[in-house]
Amino acid sequence: DADVTQTPRNRITKTGKRIMLECSQTKGHDRMYWYRQDPGLGLRLIYYSFDVKDINKGEISDGYSVSRQAQAKFSLSLESAIPNQTALYFCATSESPTERQFFGPGTRLTVL
Amino acid sequence: QKEVEQNSGPLSVPEGAIASLNCTYSDRGSQSFFWYRQYSGKSPELIMFIYSNGDKEDGRFTAQLNKASQYVSLLIRDSQPSDSATYLCAVNRGDYKLSFGAGTTVTVRA
Repeated sequence: DADVTQTPRNRITKTGKRIMLECSQTKGHDRMYWYRQDPGLGLRLIYYSFDVKDINKGEISDGYSVSRQAQAKFSLSLESAIPNQTALYFCATSESPTERQFFGPGTRLTVL
Repeated sequence: QKEVEQNSGPLSVPEGAIASLNCTYSDRGSQSFFWYRQYSGKSPELIMFIYSNGDKEDGRFTAQLNKASQYVSLLIRDSQPSDSATYLCAVNRGDYKLSFGAGTTVTVRA
């Protein structure tokens, strides 16, 4: 069974729609992250959470929001999707103290 | 200046050869360093991590770290077609976040 899961795996939506991407983990890690990946730009951090009560903005948080419902669940929302949010989105968790990060399978989001 | 820089490639090597990938970083206070392999359309997979200056070997992979020169490298020995992927360098500055390079694409030709 996968340690970090993401739903949905693929999503096509229209401009202006609200979208939620969900991430669940069974690794027991406190720290969770949301990244987006665009061709040639690598992975960029959107939001991160060190525990249920701790939420932090990453380098590209505008247009996104998150919710940490439990230690194991971290959701990313696009309140009003726009075409330049078309990307591959990854959730990750990290262990302490090595700080190694483990990624989910990704969600491919297309905004038309 | 980007925090983490890698040559984008593609780096083409013959099967059985050594592939050498380089990564430089800008924050001298960076503490831990990671190499991820990513196949097209898939998620990054951790293959090596290194914290101290010097070499670290794991199977066909060797990571090398030189903090004074602010670079970290990855050697892939006896390259196989299955090593064809994009390799991402990631650096942790000690604040529990990773900064990623854009990746180097490696193609191993049979």
